[in-house]
Amino acid sequence: AQSVSQHNHHVILSEAASLELGCNYSYGGTVNLFWYVQYPGQHLQLLLKYFSGDPLVKGIKGFEAEFIKSKFSFNLRKPSVQWSDTAEYFCACLDSSYKLIFGSGTRLLVRP
Amino acid sequence: KAGVTQTPRYLIKTRGQQVTLSCSPISGHRSVSWYQQTPGQGLQFLFEYFSETQRNKGNFPGRFSGRQFSNSRSEMNVSTLELGDSALYLCASSLEWQVEAFFGQGTRLTVV
Repeated sequence: AQSVSQHNHHVILSEAASLELGCNYSYGGTVNLFWYVQYPGQHLQLLLKYFSGDPLVKGIKGFEAEFIKSKFSFNLRKPSVQWSDTAEYFCACLDSSYKLIFGSGTRLLVRP
Repeated sequence: KAGVTQTPRYLIKTRGQQVTLSCSPISGHRSVSWYQQTPGQGLQFLFEYFSETQRNKGNFPGRFSGRQFSNSRSEMNVSTLELGDSALYLCASSLEWQVEAFFGQGTRLTVV
């Protein structure tokens, strides 16, 4: 079965620090990949998505992710985090039957 | 346009009871999916409905069921509730095949 792994469960950064959250997926075929964010008390929101084309994907709020097929990775990055980025981040992929498979999530705490 | 609306937001039920949760998708969206979110298991796919038909099903027992109405609104039912069913239940809608899923704020179910 396809799976998504997020190895960093908790990340603590100071404001203005750079962020990189890891995501690895197991599916070897055509992949559709997503990063979702869940701010405290709010619903899951789509940050960015990759279906095909340019492996460097830019999303909302200054986030970007790079799809590296050889490494089965889709890491999320942001050059300079803000306190308002404190949230839980989920990587997900569409499996072969078009179900969204989520990683376990990474809780990010940004200290002012 | 209005987002995905889930009702109720909070529920407390006792073991053995049954519960029905409701989801109204974004206008025009015909696909509705349900997910269970728990601290231990993360986000797990329950099932997906499209045009009143269940298209996809996750690995949950038969106590979990759902349906979709002609206006795309969906309900999820859990019978014979167990303590382990305590979770945040999320509904997501999309135009087609979860290509870009929009999530509701969820229903927090507590089973006592």
